[in-house]
Amino acid sequence: NAGVMQNPRHLVRRRGQEARLRCSPMKGHSHVYWYRQLPEEGLKFMVYLQKENIIDESGMPKERFSAEFPKEGPSILRIQQVVRGDSAAYFCASSPAGRRLMNTEAFFGQGTRLTVV
Amino acid sequence: DQQVKQNSPSLSVQEGRISILNCDYTNSMFDYFLWYKKYPAEGPTFLISISSIKDKNEDGRFTVFLNKSAKHLSLHIVPSQPGDSAVYFCAASARSNFGNEKLTFGTGTRLTIIP
Repeated sequence: NAGVMQNPRHLVRRRGQEARLRCSPMKGHSHVYWYRQLPEEGLKFMVYLQKENIIDESGMPKERFSAEFPKEGPSILRIQQVVRGDSAAYFCASSPAGRRLMNTEAFFGQGTRLTVV
Repeated sequence: DQQVKQNSPSLSVQEGRISILNCDYTNSMFDYFLWYKKYPAEGPTFLISISSIKDKNEDGRFTVFLNKSAKHLSLHIVPSQPGDSAVYFCAASARSNFGNEKLTFGTGTRLTIIP
């Protein structure tokens, strides 16, 4: 787990502000997944990206949410005009390829806990 | 639409005894199942998995059983140790329309091992 770095660990935003969550995958990993955990719920898939490509964003809300994974730098999950319902823990996972998320092939970061006040 | 269900939000077990965590699923397209362990303020850590073509997989103190006809799987931990106290998530995998794997998680069971 230590290899996937997410920052910040905690983020507080006022309603209407923008939130930017960063995920640096493990060295050698070119595939990134974002998951969201709402209070008292399981993790829910949001988006799957490869370098410079969004492959599957079927779990992303259509409005206000966007993700990118540029050629250089971390993957960014951006939430515009945050609302209280966006308060959640956001987890990033990386894998060396788009193969099955199993065993040690996929690693989760420690998450970013977003609080909207 | 909760496709993966963990109906017990919490479970307490005496140290040294067996812990049994249960999980039910509804989507017959799931073909791979995983258990993750999560400590507070940390990300999920992979624990054990099972392919839908098997009915049992064992790794040390951890065994996962799969009953495809009942769409049910369980995680057995024996003997239970205090360090096993954590939230356990059941997850199921299916290939998306885009060819990637997508994990669907249950809501978790908080396991507490009593010394």
